[in-house]
Amino acid sequence: SQQGEEDPQALSIQEGENATMNCSYKTSINNLQWYRQNSGRGLVHLILIRSNEREKHSGRLRVTLDTSKKSSSLLITASRAADTASYFCATDAGGYSTLTFGKGTMLLVSP
Amino acid sequence: KAGVTQTPRYLIKTRGQQVTLSCSPISGHRSVSWYQQTPGQGLQFLFEYFSETQRNKGNFPGRFSGRQFSNSRSEMNVSTLELGDSALYLCASSVQDYGYTFGSGTRLTVV
Repeated sequence: SQQGEEDPQALSIQEGENATMNCSYKTSINNLQWYRQNSGRGLVHLILIRSNEREKHSGRLRVTLDTSKKSSSLLITASRAADTASYFCATDAGGYSTLTFGKGTMLLVSP
Repeated sequence: KAGVTQTPRYLIKTRGQQVTLSCSPISGHRSVSWYQQTPGQGLQFLFEYFSETQRNKGNFPGRFSGRQFSNSRSEMNVSTLELGDSALYLCASSVQDYGYTFGSGTRLTVV
C-alpha cells in the first residue's frame, strides 16, 4: 500500500519559475527521500532528509520536513525544461524496513 | 563507480511462461531491493535481500521469487506469467540511511 500522497498530481510551469511539491505520509519515519523519474526509466535519488532534520538544500533543491504534520515539501528553484519528470517521495521507517513510495507528481516545465 | 545494472532492458513474454530478471548492485552494496511499477498501482515493494538472505517481502503472490548470490547480484523470477505482471521492474542497491541507487529497470510485457 502507498505510504504517502504527493500533491499536486501534476504541475505545469514555465522555465525560470519555482516548483513546489508536497508529500504527506502516515507512519513514523527514519528518513524521507525524494526521487526523480524521467519517462518510465529508473529512479534518480535527489535528496534524503532525516527525521531530526527540518530543512535541507542541494543545489536548486530545497526540502523541508515537518514530522508533527507528517509532511514534506520539495522546492525546485529556477526550473528548467530538463526538470520535466515525475517526482516521488519515499519514506524509510528504519531498521530492516524498505522504501514506501507515494504516487508521484508529474512536473512539466515549458521553455 | 558503476551504477546498478539491470538486464535485460526489455522483455516480451507470453502468458503462462516464466521470466528471470537480473540485477547487479553497486560494488560494496549488500542490500538489493526490487520494486514493481505499474500505472495503476504505482511503485510497490517486492522483496529485499541482504547478504543472500531475504529480509523483507512485499504483498505479492508466491509466483514472485528472488535470490541473492554471494557477490550480491540478485535475480527475481516470475512464474506462470499473467497479463497483469506487465510492468517496469526496478532494482535498487543501498547502504542504510544513504538513499537508494536504482537501475534503469526491466520493462516486461506479457502478451
